[in-house]
Amino acid sequence: QSALTQPASVSGSPGQSITISCTGTSSDIGGYNFVSWYQQHPGKTPKLIIYDVNNRPSGVSNRFSGSKSGNTASLTISGLQAEDEADYYCTSYTSYSTVLFGGGTKLAVL
Amino acid sequence: QVQLQESGPGLVKPSETLSLTCSVSGGSISSSVHYWSWIRQPPGKGLEWIANIYYDGSSYYNPSLKSRLTVSVDTSKNQFFLKVTSVTAADTAVYYCARRGIASTGTGFDYWGQGILVTVSS
Repeated sequence: QSALTQPASVSGSPGQSITISCTGTSSDIGGYNFVSWYQQHPGKTPKLIIYDVNNRPSGVSNRFSGSKSGNTASLTISGLQAEDEADYYCTSYTSYSTVLFGGGTKLAVL
Repeated sequence: QVQLQESGPGLVKPSETLSLTCSVSGGSISSSVHYWSWIRQPPGKGLEWIANIYYDGSSYYNPSLKSRLTVSVDTSKNQFFLKVTSVTAADTAVYYCARRGIASTGTGFDYWGQGILVTVSS
């Protein structure tokens, strides 16, 4: 099983919106609504920010939103803030009852 | 508030077995709506899912690691465990334990341990 495909890096200015894509196959993203997204600041533990494609855990800012179309999931961050600068990872459940991570995307807030 | 804490040796010799324990507090590992998971992150690299285990012992492994993995659970101690045999330098990573929901409760990894760095070196 190959890792889900994410862009290595994205950037945006404060106040702007950015979108991070996560591409898989019909055996993972395309087959299930079990995509989640994590934010990881340097040296810190990953934090769940989106689960089951488009659900936010309690306490997560509504500036974070998720969506899915076919075999590609997306994370959108609106109203970019300096504190959003971090690494972002997607995951998906697969038809093999396993979990795949994306390779990660480094977000720079310029 | 659920808390998870990894413990085990921080240094393992090549070809030996890496053994880690995850202790869960603030919640029961016998929950019927959660899996308990191991995830690792090599220095400077991305996250890699290792395995999930349910309270009844049913488990699911990363196919690329499966031949070297054993995960188990001790509900009486509220702990679960990871063993990786025949380790090499490529197994050097921060190892995290985490909780994952089943479909009806949300399938994200919602609680994580702080992580433990395991270095494979002679």
